Amino acid sequence: GQSLEQPSEVTAVEGAIVQINCTYQTSGFYGLSWYQQHDGGAPTFLSYNALDGLEETGRFSSFLSRSDSYGYLLLQELQMKDSASYFCAGGQGYSSASKIIFGSGTRLSIRP
Amino acid sequence: NAGVTQTPKFRILKIGQSMTLQCTQDMNHNYMYWYRQDPGMGLKLIYYSVGAGITDKGEVPNGYNVSRSTTEDFPLRLELAAPSQTSVYFCASSYSPEAGNTIYFGEGSWLTVV
Repeated sequence: GQSLEQPSEVTAVEGAIVQINCTYQTSGFYGLSWYQQHDGGAPTFLSYNALDGLEETGRFSSFLSRSDSYGYLLLQELQMKDSASYFCAGGQGYSSASKIIFGSGTRLSIRP
Repeated sequence: NAGVTQTPKFRILKIGQSMTLQCTQDMNHNYMYWYRQDPGMGLKLIYYSVGAGITDKGEVPNGYNVSRSTTEDFPLRLELAAPSQTSVYFCASSYSPEAGNTIYFGEGSWLTVV
């Protein structure tokens, strides 16, 4: 089967750095992506790793290690507006039969 | 830029009723998806399509049907609604998994079955 595991909740302080981990088991793995979802809203794309290593986009960075089936999202200089749920997602399958599966999500709470 | 548009936004169904959630995208994406999200939970893939005329089951397909007659439209049909189908439904589309895995979501449809 396929699955992506991530912690259910993380709490951090405004201005700090937080890391949200994701471990996965998928066959025909394409790459790992990250989405942010505020309460009542739709998920929005944050970052994508097709290859091993670190991808940086402003305050957000994402890392992937295919050999460890592991990735993480790093959020720096946390702001109150970063309070949201964060999902890792993996593409599974091959070009004519691909589907994208999401982890169960990590709820990030930020304290002043 | 319309992106992914789904309707209705809110709906209350009685047990046993049927309905169709409409979804259309104007980005010429080949891949389209339907997810459901229960309160406080992640997104579960119901059905997906890799192009017009091609659909396949996701993680939780039971009680649903889809069709993909055009590139733009991907309606989700609920037959014989059950309380377990109370959820938020998201339609989404993407160019392809190889092209960065960016999925664009609709705003969601809140469905309650009573």
